[in-house]
Amino acid sequence: GAGVSQSPSNKVTEKGKDVELRCDPISGHTALYWYRQSLGQGLEFLIYFQGNSAPDKSGLPSDRFSAERTGGSVSTLTIQRTQQEDSAVYLCASSFVSGGVGGYTFGSGTRLTVV
Amino acid sequence: QKEVEQNSGPLSVPEGAIASLNCTYSDRGSQSFFWYRQYSGKSPELIMFIYSNGDKEDGRFTAQLNKASQYVSLLIRDSQPSDSATYLCAVIKDTGNQFYFGTGTSLTVIP
Repeated sequence: GAGVSQSPSNKVTEKGKDVELRCDPISGHTALYWYRQSLGQGLEFLIYFQGNSAPDKSGLPSDRFSAERTGGSVSTLTIQRTQQEDSAVYLCASSFVSGGVGGYTFGSGTRLTVV
Repeated sequence: QKEVEQNSGPLSVPEGAIASLNCTYSDRGSQSFFWYRQYSGKSPELIMFIYSNGDKEDGRFTAQLNKASQYVSLLIRDSQPSDSATYLCAVIKDTGNQFYFGTGTSLTVIP
C-alpha cells in the first residue's frame, strides 16, 4: 500500500478483555516496529520484526502482550486481559531495511482506551 | 539515565524567527540521528536524519550533530505557524535496530 495502515483507528474496551491491533506495512518493507505513546510521554518501543521473526521483543511490558507477523507483511499486536494502564496510542512503523536506515514511516496509530 | 533527553518546552518563537531544538543522547556509540515532527493527534513524520558530524541542511531545516558532545540539534529558519508541533529526537545505537525517542519538545510559532 501507499502508507502504513493500522486498524482500528480507535478501540474502547472493557478492562479484562483481549484486543487485537493490526498493522499493514508499506509493501516491500521488511522491517516492522510497534511502539506505544501514552499521553504526554515519548514513544516506547515494544517489538521489532525482520520478516516474520522478532529478533527484539525486549520492549513488551508483560506476558499479556504478544505480536506476530505473517507472510512478511501484516502484523497483529494482541493484548490479553487489558488493564487501564494499557490505554495509549499504539503506533506501527515500517522501513525498507532493518536499522531504520533513512527512517521509519509511521502509521496513523490505534488509540486504545481501556475502561 | 534516559537514552535520549529533550527539553519538553514549550518553546515559543515569533513567526519568521529561528527555532532551535536540542537533544542529547547517552550512548556514545550511537550512529544515526533523526528528527520527527508530530502534530497533535497525528503520528510522527520524519523531517531529517543525520549520520555525520557537522550540519545538514534541507530547505528551512538544518540538523547539527556533535558526536564528541553527544548532542544533536534542529534549527528551523523563518519559522511559520504551521511549524507548531512537537519535535521528537530519535537515535539508533550501533548494535540495535530500534529507535530510542526523546519525549519531544513542543514548539509554538506565534503569528
